[in-house]
Amino acid sequence: SQQGEEDPQALSIQEGENATMNCSYKTSINNLQWYRQNSGRGLVHLILIRSNEREKHSGRLRVTLDTSKKSSSLLITASRAADTASYFCATVTGFQKLVFGTGTRLLVSP
Amino acid sequence: DGGITQSPKYLFRKEGQNVTLSCEQNLNHDAMYWYRQDPGQGLRLIYYSQIVNDFQKGDIAEGYSVSREKKESFPLTVTSAQKNPTAFYLCASSFEDTEAFFGQGTRLTVV
Repeated sequence: SQQGEEDPQALSIQEGENATMNCSYKTSINNLQWYRQNSGRGLVHLILIRSNEREKHSGRLRVTLDTSKKSSSLLITASRAADTASYFCATVTGFQKLVFGTGTRLLVSP
Repeated sequence: DGGITQSPKYLFRKEGQNVTLSCEQNLNHDAMYWYRQDPGQGLRLIYYSQIVNDFQKGDIAEGYSVSREKKESFPLTVTSAQKNPTAFYLCASSFEDTEAFFGQGTRLTVV
């Protein structure tokens, strides 16, 4: 079973708007990571947040983590057409087990 | 260049055949992973290995086998027991609990 469930499954916005994706997970984690996948390609790591952190920024990305609710969110500010991709959260639990969520498909229209 | 390489990019399997997907990394990572991705779906964990000569089943290990004889290599065999093997297979590696690096994937089709 998937560790993470992401919401929404698909998101369509205009360039310049912000995109927010949410991830919920089931068990205690060491850290939570966000990845991006362009169609038919491998995944690219975006950002990692540890279980003792609450917020992290990287460029136009902002990630929050609420371990009491077992949830995380990824905010992409000022979206560009090039941000169109699928975005996945992934959790690392004991023994380096890396499990992915179901993903959010983001479409940014010019 | 450091990285993780999967081969082949495309693979065709006949019914009843075993096939092996290759995954090699020169990043000196201890952990390696295999995932299966079906169209429009997320990644499901097949097997993972934290160290040489040791590996653990993921969520969908039935019909698959792996070996980890060398740190750099983590081949995946799709056996004839896997009834629906057509999918996109992704290999990844990581160092401790840090970011994972992915290969470009192998697309397996049963013909």
